[in-house]
Amino acid sequence: DADVTQTPRNRITKTGKRIMLECSQTKGHDRMYWYRQDPGLGLRLIYYSFDVKDINKGEISDGYSVSRQAQAKFSLSLESAIPNQTALYFCATSDPPGQGTYEQYFGPGTRLTVT
Amino acid sequence: AQSVTQLGSHVSVSEGALVLLRCNYSSSVPPYLFWYVQYPNQGLQLLLKYTSAATLVKGINGFEAEFKKSETSFHLTKPSAHMSDAAEYFCAVTSSDYKLSFGAGTTVTVRA
Repeated sequence: DADVTQTPRNRITKTGKRIMLECSQTKGHDRMYWYRQDPGLGLRLIYYSFDVKDINKGEISDGYSVSRQAQAKFSLSLESAIPNQTALYFCATSDPPGQGTYEQYFGPGTRLTVT
Repeated sequence: AQSVTQLGSHVSVSEGALVLLRCNYSSSVPPYLFWYVQYPNQGLQLLLKYTSAATLVKGINGFEAEFKKSETSFHLTKPSAHMSDAAEYFCAVTSSDYKLSFGAGTTVTVRA
């Protein structure tokens, strides 16, 4: 079974709709991240959370919000979707500090299309 | 702050030929560097990582990368390309803040 799962895997929605993307992990990590991937731009950080009570904006947080419901769950919401939010979205977790690896573990991605 | 530049958005190689993907980084603190691979319709998989141990890092599937501080580079190589290496490759850097910065990606095509 996958350590980091995302639902839905694909979603088509209309402009102005609210949509939530969900991420769950079984790695027991405190640190979780949301990225979006656009062709030619790589992955860009939207939000990140270092524990349940900690939420931080990334480089492209406008138009997005997040909720950290539990250590294992980190949701990304688009309050009012617009077409330029069409992208591939990834959730990730990372090893605890002190282990020295700094590695991040990615989910399979959610392909979102806003029409 | 850190950033990553990947030279070449597309690379085409013949099966059996050398694969060379270039990555340069900028970082004001000692970096930790990664190469990830993304196969079509899949998530990102770690190929290898540099975390201040050996400067020549070996990864999965025959890939390796060398950290060169003087050149601020972390180029990825594989001596002999296989058809299964066709994918998109991302270089990424982080430091003690744990936030990854990614390059724009390089798509590798392998010709038979």
